[in-house]
Amino acid sequence: KAGVTQTPRYLIKTRGQQVTLSCSPISGHRSVSWYQQTPGQGLQFLFEYFSETQRNKGNFPGRFSGRQFSNSRSEMNVSTLELGDSALYLCASSLVGGGNNEQFFGPGTRLTVL
Amino acid sequence: KNEVEQSPQNLTAQEGEFITINCSYSVGISALHWLQQHPGGGIVSLFMLSSGKKKHGRLIATINIQEKHSSLHITASHPRDSAVYICAIETSGSRLTFGEGTQLTVNP
Repeated sequence: KAGVTQTPRYLIKTRGQQVTLSCSPISGHRSVSWYQQTPGQGLQFLFEYFSETQRNKGNFPGRFSGRQFSNSRSEMNVSTLELGDSALYLCASSLVGGGNNEQFFGPGTRLTVL
Repeated sequence: KNEVEQSPQNLTAQEGEFITINCSYSVGISALHWLQQHPGGGIVSLFMLSSGKKKHGRLIATINIQEKHSSLHITASHPRDSAVYICAIETSGSRLTFGEGTQLTVNP
């Protein structure tokens, strides 16, 4: 089975732009979670999607949004980029989510905002 | 105070040593995860625990729900074990809250 894939792997944007990141979960997995990792704040939960619905949301501003498609692929969007949005963005998939499910992580997208 | 505290933050060991990384948390959880992150960013799930003890190869993870404490042990450590080890708790659905990580370096 193919693992979790994320595209693109690296991205450079400038302040004020917007960006869309993509995550394809393991086949059969219906839950996708997104995380942000920065040197200062560490790993932080962004949101979780299950069956095309956002089921859980972390403490991030509304500039961060996401969606999930019927094939369980997920995208996250960051609008009006700020320097502080520079980070490694990771997604993880699990069978059904909802707790007590092993999460499988993708390789991440490294976003640099100039 | 963070909900998840890991210790130590940094750990240097000689090949073959027995290693212990500790994780304490302050809230009720549905599960606790141990993750491994190598340079470059990729994260691998090592264990998911809700009680007791699990073993996989040279790695052992234990959890004490009453004391809100978990440990990750590595027996016969090897330089390839060098990585950041992260403890994460599940409190609400799939939402994970992470510790700051333990940077482990195993020297040959």
